[in-house]
Amino acid sequence: DAGVTQSPTHLIKTRGQHVTLRCSPISGHKSVSWYQQVLGQGPQFIFQYYEKEERGRGNFPDRFSARQFPNYSSELNVNALLLGDSALYLCASSLIWEVAEAFFGQGTRLTVV
Amino acid sequence: DQQVKQNSPSLSVQEGRISILNCDYTNSMFDYFLWYKKYPAEGPTFLISISSIKDKNEDGRFTVFLNKSAKHLSLHIVPSQPGDSAVYFCAATARAGNNRKLIWGLGTSLAVNP
Repeated sequence: DAGVTQSPTHLIKTRGQHVTLRCSPISGHKSVSWYQQVLGQGPQFIFQYYEKEERGRGNFPDRFSARQFPNYSSELNVNALLLGDSALYLCASSLIWEVAEAFFGQGTRLTVV
Repeated sequence: DQQVKQNSPSLSVQEGRISILNCDYTNSMFDYFLWYKKYPAEGPTFLISISSIKDKNEDGRFTVFLNKSAKHLSLHIVPSQPGDSAVYFCAATARAGNNRKLIWGLGTSLAVNP
């Protein structure tokens, strides 16, 4: 059984550019959440999606957006990249949005130069 | 404002001994607590969880204890093995409207020495 898969695994972008990160949840899981983890910190909640609808949003600027597709996969988009956006971006899937246990992908390491 | 606190950035334990990782929280609305283990270059791996209606949950070598009055939980690993060396994150969650988000501590780096 495939776990949560994220692509790409590593990415280098220049300030001001746009980036799209992708996530495929565990088969049968309908909820996808995105987290940002900067070095030395715990992950910070960005978005939760369930049944293609945004269910929750963390304290991130409007440059961050996401969507969920009919097959429950998800994209995280970040516009006008800043150096401070350099982080590990984690995608988590859970069966339904009410379930607390979430299973994480390996993450996408984004470096903004 | 850190709602979930792991005050020990690192812990070193001898193989075979008990590892105790601690976590404190401030938000009384949290109703579910989880521990994740994270190796470098990998995503967090779910270990064990506990509902706020319980005070103990056990799964093999891992036991989580919850003291609601003290807003404190701990993860016990017995016996500790070198493969347990990783960063351990405590996370908490509360149902908020139509979503559940995990609030994380900063992590404790555990080193189990052979």
